[in-house]
Amino acid sequence: GQQVMQIPQYQHVQEGEDFTTYCNSSTTLSNIQWYKQRPGGHPVFLIQLVKSGEVKKQKRLTFQFGEAKKNSSLHITATQTTDVGTYFCLRGGGSEKLVFGKGTKLTVNP
Amino acid sequence: EPEVTQTPSHQVTQMGQEVILRCVPISNHLYFYWYRQILGQKVEFLVSFYNNEISEKSEIFDDQFSVERPDGSNFTLKIRSTKLEDSAMYFCASIRGRRDTEAFFGQGTRLTVV
Repeated sequence: GQQVMQIPQYQHVQEGEDFTTYCNSSTTLSNIQWYKQRPGGHPVFLIQLVKSGEVKKQKRLTFQFGEAKKNSSLHITATQTTDVGTYFCLRGGGSEKLVFGKGTKLTVNP
Repeated sequence: EPEVTQTPSHQVTQMGQEVILRCVPISNHLYFYWYRQILGQKVEFLVSFYNNEISEKSEIFDDQFSVERPDGSNFTLKIRSTKLEDSAMYFCASIRGRRDTEAFFGQGTRLTVV
């Protein structure tokens, strides 16, 4: 399956600053999933977005799915050192394989 | 909370040797996957398994690789003759059903081929 393009590839922030990563697809997506992988860890599911224009929040994390269902974003408000890791947006899921891109690697300076 | 377990956590093997990586998916899950991640690189799909057969495999999953679900609980990945470039973290993942979304990943097995 075609992977979703994600930017930036790397982001370094000071603790307390906000962070956003963006995903774009050339084709309409039925859904998009977000995963986080801590350094040395395994991917962990964060959320799935399905509906056009959908916005979901998990504490300081805000996930958006574009109106055209071709892009998505993850915004973290007031980053903490525990937010460090690589964030992936992926198409697929359910019984379909997940296709990982390079993700966005976030580092947070305390 | 249910989890996918993988053993061993770290395996060191000599080039040319066979290795078997073991996974115990969550008990009521039906779809199983192996992924690998070479150090510093992205997570790559290897194979998916459903209903006791391979449903999809990547170009990486050549004749050196095989998967089995021998006893209804374990899900194994065998590499027949390891090469140096097989050194990577191998993740097992499972999904409950066709309509479910969340993939649960194990902690991984770090394979080092020397």
